[in-house]
This record gives sequence, structure tokens and C-alpha cells, in this order.
Amino acid sequence: SQTIHQWPATLVQPVGSPLSLECTVEGTSNPNLYWYRQAAGRGLQLLFYSVGIGQISSEVPQNLSASRPQDRQFILSSKKLLLSDSGFYLCAWSWEGGTQYFGPGTRLLVL
Amino acid sequence: GQQLNQSPQSMFIQEGEDVSMNCTSSSIFNTWLWYKQDPGEGPVLLIALYKAGELTSNGRLTAQFGITRKDSFLNISASIPSDVGIYFCAGGGYNQGGKLIFGQGTELSVKP
Repeated sequence: SQTIHQWPATLVQPVGSPLSLECTVEGTSNPNLYWYRQAAGRGLQLLFYSVGIGQISSEVPQNLSASRPQDRQFILSSKKLLLSDSGFYLCAWSWEGGTQYFGPGTRLLVL
Repeated sequence: GQQLNQSPQSMFIQEGEDVSMNCTSSSIFNTWLWYKQDPGEGPVLLIALYKAGELTSNGRLTAQFGITRKDSFLNISASIPSDVGIYFCAGGGYNQGGKLIFGQGTELSVKP
């Protein structure tokens, strides 16, 4: 069966510091991968998605970037965090753009 | 861009009552999905619908894919306290290019 992991579960970072969130998927090959942000107002905002290694599509201009160095690894990064980057970050995977399955999430607080 | 209108935004019900929520869109979807999110966790898939008119049940949950492909509803029968959470609908398909369009969620509170 497939499982999806996110690390870390919680992160508190000062403004201006760098960020690296990791997502890994087990039990499948060549998945589509997605990064979402969920603010306190609870809607899910798609940030990035990837259909393969090194292939990243950005949905909204922002202070964040994503990379896919391996087939089942998806990284969300920032060089300098802003207060507005605080939120709940969710990674998801799917087969060929179908039903998406979410990870447990990372709660980021920027102070 | 494409949007899903999910209603109601929140519901406060008594344990044992039935619940109904729905999503509508001006766009056509080939897939309708319903997720539940508990506080501090990722959304969990409840029901997936792949065919217009399809009616699918999962325990006390029932969901339908609208005939027009522009809407879907989720019903929960005989609610219990553990049904508390936020329920999201999502639509997907060829026109969405491998992405899902999410509703804004329905927050359900159940009073014992």
C-alpha cells in the first residue's frame, strides 16, 4: 500500500530564515506530487505540482519554491520566510492526475 | 478561474441527526471527491465518484455525482460526535489538467 510522509510535523521559524519541508511517498512509482497551503480560514491553496523528476509547475507567485530531486521526494523551500508564510502545508500524491491522497501536514509558524 | 461553491459553510447539529452538504460549479467535472479533515491532520478521502449519476455509500455516508456533472452532494446519516471536522468537496478531470478544484469546506459540529 502507499503511504505519504511529511517532515517536520511542526516548525517555528523567525522571519527571514530559510525553510525546507520534505514530502516522501512510498509504495508507488512516478506519482504526481502536490504542495498545498491551508490558512486558518481553511481553504486549500495549490502552490506547486509536479508530474516527474525536475518538473515543477507553480500555481501562484510567492516567496516559496519547490523541487523534486527524486521520483518520490518533493521539497518545499524558501530563502527568506515572511510572516505571511505561516500556515498548514500539505503534500499530496496521485496517479496520473486522479484522486489525490494527502500527507499529515506540517504546521509552520513564522515569528 | 474555476470555483466550487460548497454549502453550508458550517453546521451545528445534535447527535443522531442527518447531515447534508453540497457543491456546485459552473464547470463540468469527470471526478467528484469528498474528504474529511480532522483538526491538525491532512484530509482523508471519504468517497470518490467517477460517473455522472453515480450514487455511492461508505457506511453512514452517501454521495452522488450530479447528472449535469456540475454538482455533488454528501449525506451523513445518524451523526455521531466523531463526525466532527471539516468536509471538503473536490472536482477533477480532463479540463483541470491533473489538478483538483476544492470547495471551501463545511465545518461540522455535533452536540452529544
